[in-house]
Amino acid sequence: DAKTTQPPSMDCAEGRAANLPCNHSTISGNEYVYWYRQIHSQGPQYIIHGLKNNETNEMASLIITEDRKSSTLILPHATLRDTAVYYCIVSPLSGTYKYIFGTGTRLKVLA
Amino acid sequence: GAVVSQHPSWVICKSGTSVKIECRSLDFQATTMFWYRQFPKQSLMLMATSNEGSKATYEQGVEKDKFLINHASLTLSTLTVTSAHPEDSSFYICSATARGPKTNYGYTFGSGTRLTVV
Repeated sequence: DAKTTQPPSMDCAEGRAANLPCNHSTISGNEYVYWYRQIHSQGPQYIIHGLKNNETNEMASLIITEDRKSSTLILPHATLRDTAVYYCIVSPLSGTYKYIFGTGTRLKVLA
Repeated sequence: GAVVSQHPSWVICKSGTSVKIECRSLDFQATTMFWYRQFPKQSLMLMATSNEGSKATYEQGVEKDKFLINHASLTLSTLTVTSAHPEDSSFYICSATARGPKTNYGYTFGSGTRLTVV
């Protein structure tokens, strides 16, 4: 079973920030939080990952709560091309652990 | 870096025939690759873990004799859907990891293969 839960869908106005939450209350100490997105009929695309500190890259920001039981992916200025299904996954960094996907959040960016 | 190429991107086959899907790591070596299946409007479901030089590990409920996996080299894993039937029509996706200082440490996914069995 997936170790994460996410809202099934969200809408966001173009140009506004999209905040996508993820609950991972059973996360282990050695597990990172990964975010991927899947645009229709494509393979998932890596966005960002983190352990306990907030992270930012050119695509997004990741805010992880202090207890690490939840996180939020932030797309600062959503565009129509950000319309996709966003998946939050927890996994150790090392080794070859399999990813178990939850239902993800279907984000729709509105013009 | 860390590119995974999947081929073909789509295939249509007749019921009863077999179809092979290739997954290649282009710029890194992958001792382990994963195969997923995705039905419309559903999430990715892990089918099996492909290990270079050894037998694949299948998830519960996945028929190993129907979905043959071969991982003969560090850059290539293949999934063969044998005796395909319409219910095998799905989107198949592979992934691999290139863990190292120049990668994001996560898994890289192929672009997927849309299989339609008629």
